[in-house]
Amino acid sequence: EAGVTQFPSHSVIEKGQTVTLRCDPISGHDNLYWYRRVMGKEIKFLLHFVKESKQDESGMPNNRFLAERTGGTYSTLKVQPAELEDSGVYFCASSQSRRTDTQYFGPGTRLTVL
Amino acid sequence: AQKITQTQPGMFVQEKEAVTLDCTYDTSDQSYGLFWYKQPSSGEMIFLIYQGSYDEQNATEGRYSLNFQKARKSANLVISASQLGDSAMYFCAMREYYGGSQGNLIFGKGTKLSVKP
Repeated sequence: EAGVTQFPSHSVIEKGQTVTLRCDPISGHDNLYWYRRVMGKEIKFLLHFVKESKQDESGMPNNRFLAERTGGTYSTLKVQPAELEDSGVYFCASSQSRRTDTQYFGPGTRLTVL
Repeated sequence: AQKITQTQPGMFVQEKEAVTLDCTYDTSDQSYGLFWYKQPSSGEMIFLIYQGSYDEQNATEGRYSLNFQKARKSANLVISASQLGDSAMYFCAMREYYGGSQGNLIFGKGTKLSVKP
C-alpha cells in the first residue's frame, strides 16, 4: 500500500511568488492534515480536512495560505504571495475515518523563500 | 494549554545499548493519546508507537516501548538494543480527543539521537 506522498520535495522561490504544494493521502483515508515546521521550532498544525470539507483551519497563519481538497482525494496548499517567514518544511498526514486513528505522514516539502 | 516538552535536544548512545528519550506533556483533558515519531535524515516522519491515556499497560512495538507515567504526565520512549539505523530525530506528540485541539497533533521540539558504533 502506498504511503502519503508529497510534491515537490523541495521548492525554492523568491519573495512575492506563488507556490503550490500537493499531498496525496493514503487511499481511503478520510482525514488529511497539514503541518509545518519552521527552522528550530516545533511542528505546528495548520489545518484538517475530513473528506473535502475543512474541519479545522485554526492553525493557518494568515490569508496568504489557501488549502483545498478536491473530491476528498488529494490536497493542495497554496502560498500567495510567499514571504520569507514561510520557509520551512510542510508535512501532510492522513488517517482513516475516525478522528482518533493514527496519522501517517508524508516525506514533507521543504520550502525556501529567498 | 496543551504542551509537549522534550528536554534533550541531543542524545548519544552506544550501539546495542538501551536509551530513553524523555517526554512530558501538559493537558487538562482526561482522554488523549501519546505518539512517538522518528524522522531520519531522509526527512519522512515514521510512526513508532502509541499510548492511549486509558491504557493500563505500557505500549510496546518491537524494540520500542513507551514508559507511561500518567501521574507524572510523562511518556518516555525506550529503545532497546540500539542500532546505527536508529540515528534520527525523535518527536513526541499528543492528541486530545475532546479538548481544543480536536484531533490535531501537538509536537515537542524533538530529540536528535546519535548511535555510536
